[in-house]
Amino acid sequence: DQQVKQNSPSLSVQEGRISILNCDYTNSMFDYFLWYKKYPAEGPTFLISISSIKDKNEDGRFTVFLNKSAKHLSLHIVPSQPGDSAVYFCASGAGNMLTFGGGTRLMVKP
Amino acid sequence: NAGVTQTPKFQVLKTGQSMTLQCAQDMNHEYMSWYRQDPGMGLRLIHYSVGAGITDQGEVPNGYNVSRSTTEDFPLRLLSAAPSQTSVYFCASTRGRAYNEQFFGPGTRLTVL
Repeated sequence: DQQVKQNSPSLSVQEGRISILNCDYTNSMFDYFLWYKKYPAEGPTFLISISSIKDKNEDGRFTVFLNKSAKHLSLHIVPSQPGDSAVYFCASGAGNMLTFGGGTRLMVKP
Repeated sequence: NAGVTQTPKFQVLKTGQSMTLQCAQDMNHEYMSWYRQDPGMGLRLIHYSVGAGITDQGEVPNGYNVSRSTTEDFPLRLLSAAPSQTSVYFCASTRGRAYNEQFFGPGTRLTVL
C-alpha cells in the first residue's frame, strides 16, 4: 500500500509554459514534504521543500503547494525549460523516515 | 568536497553470494540512509542512521544489514543475495534529520542472477 502516490507517470509540456506535477499522500502523520529531481544515471537532487505549517513555498521558478485537508501537494515550474526534463519524485516524511512517490517523468519540448 | 561517494558503480552477483556496498560522505553529516529504486516504485528506504553507532530499519530492511562505526561511512551488506534484490541502490546524507535536503550518491546498479 503506497503511502505516497504520483498518479501521472509522465507529463509533456511546451517550453515556456507551466508544468504542474501532483502528489497525493495517505498518512496524516506526515509533517514535511520535499521534491527531488533525477536525471538518468545520477542520484536525485533536492529541489524544494515545505513543512506542514505552510501551504506554499517558492524558490525561483519552482513553487510547491500543500493542501493538508486533501492530502495533496503539487510542484509548479514556471516557465518550463528543456533542462527541466527529468524524473521528479515527491517525498513525505515523519520523524526520521522519508517515503517517496513513484516519480513523474517530465518532458519539456523546445 | 567529494560529497557522497558510492562503490562499486555496477555489480553482478549470483544468488546466495554476499557483498558490501560502500558509502562515504565528507560533509560531517549526522544522518545517512540507503534507498533502493525499482521501476514504478520510487525510492524505498532500507536502513538509516542518525549518527555513529545508531542504525534503524526503514521500509524494506529484510536481507540487508548496516553498521555506522564512523560519521563518514555507512556500508550496506547483502547477506545472501536474491534476484529480488536486483535494483539500483542510493546512499544519501544530510545534516540533522531526514526532512533536511539530502545529498545522494550516484548509485550502485546491482544485478543478482
